[in-house]
Amino acid sequence: QVQLVQSGAEVKKPGASVKVSCKASGYTFTNSYIHWVRQAPGLGLEWLGIINPSGSSTSYAQMFQGRVTMTRDTSTSTVYMELSSLRSDDTAVYYCAKPTRNGGPLDSWGQGTLVTVSS
Amino acid sequence: DIVMTQSPDSLAVSLGERATINCKSSQSVLYSSNNKSYLAWYQQKPGQPPKLLIYWASTRESGVPDRFTGSGSGTDFTLTISSLQAADVAVYYCHQYYSTPYTFGQGTRLEIK
Repeated sequence: QVQLVQSGAEVKKPGASVKVSCKASGYTFTNSYIHWVRQAPGLGLEWLGIINPSGSSTSYAQMFQGRVTMTRDTSTSTVYMELSSLRSDDTAVYYCAKPTRNGGPLDSWGQGTLVTVSS
Repeated sequence: DIVMTQSPDSLAVSLGERATINCKSSQSVLYSSNNKSYLAWYQQKPGQPPKLLIYWASTRESGVPDRFTGSGSGTDFTLTISSLQAADVAVYYCHQYYSTPYTFGQGTRLEIK
C-alpha cells in the first residue's frame, strides 16, 4: 500500500532553515507528483507547492517563492522540502501528500512533521 | 488564486440528524472537456492528517460510509452527512485541485449538540 513517511519534529530559531523529508513506498516513485501542505496550530490547510519526482520540475505558491525549495532523490524515493528565513508564523505541521493519478485529489498523506520556530 | 469559502464555520447537530456544509469557489472548478468539478472534501480529526472523503465533487472515496454525500458543480458545493454519528465529530475542508495554487476552505468544525 502507498506510504509517505516523514521525518521527525524540528525546532528552529528565527532566520534559520529547515529541511523536511518524505519517503515514499508502495508505488512507482516517479509516476506521481508530490505536494506539500502546511497547517499552523488551530488553523486551516495551506498549499506550499508541488514537485514532479520524474523530472524534478517544481511549482511553488507565490507567498513562498524565494523561501521554499523542493527536491527529490530517486535512489531513495524521497522528496525534500526546505524552507528558509524561518519566522514564528512558519510554526506549523508540514504534510507531504500525493494523488493516485496526477491531476486528481490528494488521497495519500504523510503523518506530518511539526516545525516549531522559536527564539 | 481561487478562494474557497465554507459556511458555516462551526455546526452543532444532534446524533442521527442531518449535517450540511457548504462551499463556494471564487471561480468555476468545472473542466468543460470532461465535465468534472475538481472539488474534494476532507475530514480531519485532531492529530491526524486530512482524510479524503469525496472527490470530483460527488464521488465517495473507497471505504467512506454512504451517509457522506457530496453534491454541486461549478462554484457551489455541499457535503451532507445524512445521520450524524459520534465518529463524525471533526473539522471538514473543501479543496479545489482545478489549478495551482491549490486552495482549501477555512474549515467547518462539526460537533454534537
